[in-house]
Amino acid sequence: AQTVTQSQPEMSVQEAETVTLSCTYDTSENNYYLFWYKQPPSRQMILVIRQEAYKQQNATENRFSVNFQKAAKSFSLKISDSQLGDTAMYFCAFSLRGGATNKLIFGTGTLLAVQP
Amino acid sequence: DGGITQSPKYLFRKEGQNVTLSCEQNLNHDAMYWYRQDPGQGLRLIYYSQIVNDFQKGDIAEGYSVSREKKESFPLTVTSAQKNPTAFYLCASSPRTGGFYNEQFFGPGTRLTVL
Repeated sequence: AQTVTQSQPEMSVQEAETVTLSCTYDTSENNYYLFWYKQPPSRQMILVIRQEAYKQQNATENRFSVNFQKAAKSFSLKISDSQLGDTAMYFCAFSLRGGATNKLIFGTGTLLAVQP
Repeated sequence: DGGITQSPKYLFRKEGQNVTLSCEQNLNHDAMYWYRQDPGQGLRLIYYSQIVNDFQKGDIAEGYSVSREKKESFPLTVTSAQKNPTAFYLCASSPRTGGFYNEQFFGPGTRLTVL
């Protein structure tokens, strides 16, 4: 069975600074996807970034980038130039590639507060 | 506007009552999902459906039931058998499943409180 672990329940960063959120996962499979979702106070889940395990290149989306270390089963999210609107709960999630479903397995989340 | 709607936003239930949460999507997606979110925990899958008139149990299906009579709709019933139903419930949909990943789109959620 796959598991996702986020060991930082809460983090804080100053506006315009850079912050890194950690995520580790466990799987015996070789083909999978990893995601970071953002859940702001509105509680709407928003996909931030996606990484395909077979791709060595780290995914980037504007100010958001990941550090994907497949051998270490680590998948951290870096937010550059933090903005007040980045304040949210961030969830790391895993999904098998080629599985019968798109089932997502979530970590417990990291609450990020961006301070002015 | 295409999207997923969930209603109501807040729902209160007395112990021993069944209650149904609505989820509708106009994205023409085949697959739909129900997740439960509790404080300090991530989302956990309750049920999912890949096609009309077919659905499967997720990780925490006990005390819940679903139906999928229409492609657009995937209602979730929280029965009196669910021991701890107070939670935030999220519905999601995706274009299709199997072979490769399709992004799941989430609704705004329903907060259920048992009184």
